[in-house]
Amino acid sequence: DIVMTQSPDSLAVSLGERATINCKSSQSVLYPSNNENYLAWYQQKPGQPPKLLIYWASARESGVPDRFSGSGSGTDFTLTISSLQAEDVAVYYCQQYYTPPHTFGQGTKLEIK
Amino acid sequence: EVQLVESGGVVVQPGGSLRLSCAASGFTFNDYTMHWVRQGPGKGLEWVSLISWEGSSTYYADSVKGRFTISRDNSKNSLYLQMNSLRTEDTALYYCAKGSGYQNRDAQLDYWGQGTLVTVSS
Repeated sequence: DIVMTQSPDSLAVSLGERATINCKSSQSVLYPSNNENYLAWYQQKPGQPPKLLIYWASARESGVPDRFSGSGSGTDFTLTISSLQAEDVAVYYCQQYYTPPHTFGQGTKLEIK
Repeated sequence: EVQLVESGGVVVQPGGSLRLSCAASGFTFNDYTMHWVRQGPGKGLEWVSLISWEGSSTYYADSVKGRFTISRDNSKNSLYLQMNSLRTEDTALYYCAKGSGYQNRDAQLDYWGQGTLVTVSS
């Protein structure tokens, strides 16, 4: 199974500042035939189901603010929030969908400093 | 509008069985892979199982393999999770989620239900 490891486990950032969350997979999730990274990012706020933010490592889901961006390839990925807003307080998860089981990272809790 | 509504969560004793259901609407159900994802109290997301759009392929997390069975009834736009030999560590909120890719097993999860709570306790 592919193990997904996020860092840090928690993060406190000031409003308007940049937040960066990392995700590392135990093996590459880059599919050679289509050159796509099978990596998604989700946001989960308290009492709500997860919400898809980013897929194919860097494609933003419709309706997601452009302050959210994803980058990386192979085994190392990053979710960046360019200017933190109060409504971005949440837990963020990466997930690989390269092969079943479609494992999640352990989550990163993002708070306001 | 896509809707996924889970049901069937209850309190059950260790060793017991339970069947969860997920009613889907707002999309062509038989064209999409469906998933179950769970979240223990205060814990992270754990992927549980998927079933392909036509129901011929299923996959499971090691933690539930041999105890849980995923199935679907495309005529009823419904997804199921049969849970046997339940353990206390199966206590969680169980989400039904839709895969994004048309007739594609490996895709991101673009819609989620609100979840149904399963509590395994004596």
